[in-house]
Amino acid sequence: AQSVSQHNHHVILSEAASLELGCNYSYGGTVNLFWYVQYPGQHLQLLLKYFSGDPLVKGIKGFEAEFIKSKFSFNLRKPSVQWSDTAEYFCAVRGGFKTIFGAGTRLFVKA
Amino acid sequence: EAGVTQSPTHLIKTRGQQATLRCSPISGHTSVYWYQQALGLGLQFLLWYDEGEERNRGNFPPRFSGRQFPNYSSELNVNALELEDSALYLCASSWGGLAGGLSPDTQYFGPGTRLTVL
Repeated sequence: AQSVSQHNHHVILSEAASLELGCNYSYGGTVNLFWYVQYPGQHLQLLLKYFSGDPLVKGIKGFEAEFIKSKFSFNLRKPSVQWSDTAEYFCAVRGGFKTIFGAGTRLFVKA
Repeated sequence: EAGVTQSPTHLIKTRGQQATLRCSPISGHTSVYWYQQALGLGLQFLLWYDEGEERNRGNFPPRFSGRQFPNYSSELNVNALELEDSALYLCASSWGGLAGGLSPDTQYFGPGTRLTVL
């Protein structure tokens, strides 16, 4: 069965620290991969997506993610976080016609 | 371009009642998805409609149902409400692409309907 695992439920960082949020999935076939962000009081927004090609994907607001097929991973990174990055981050995997979301990671950035 | 819209913003019901939630997709999108976001549980997939047909269903009881109208808007109905149905219900839309045999494109989300069951 298809599943998505986000390793960290809560992350606290200081401004300017580097960020890496883990995402692993299980699915036997071709996948499309997404990271969504939900800022406080706002709706889910797409950060970035991977469909094919270069496994290093750049998204909005300085975020990037790397698809490592052999590890079934799609980790989200940002070299230097800002207070405004405080939000909940969701990894999502689409295999076939079904999209599964991870449980989410709450990031709090201290000013 | 208008995004996905949902109504109402908030809905308060009592146990045993029925709730109806509505969603209008982005213009041109034919697929509508419904998710339940309960506290601490992430997004749980409920239903997917494309071109008026139910295409996939998550692990929810039959009292969760819905439909998609010819204009691609959608309605989620929850019958016999239980306390644990209290959650944020999110609707997303995408270009369906099923007719061409392609997997649906990126999902874009609405602001959600906060359902509270007392």
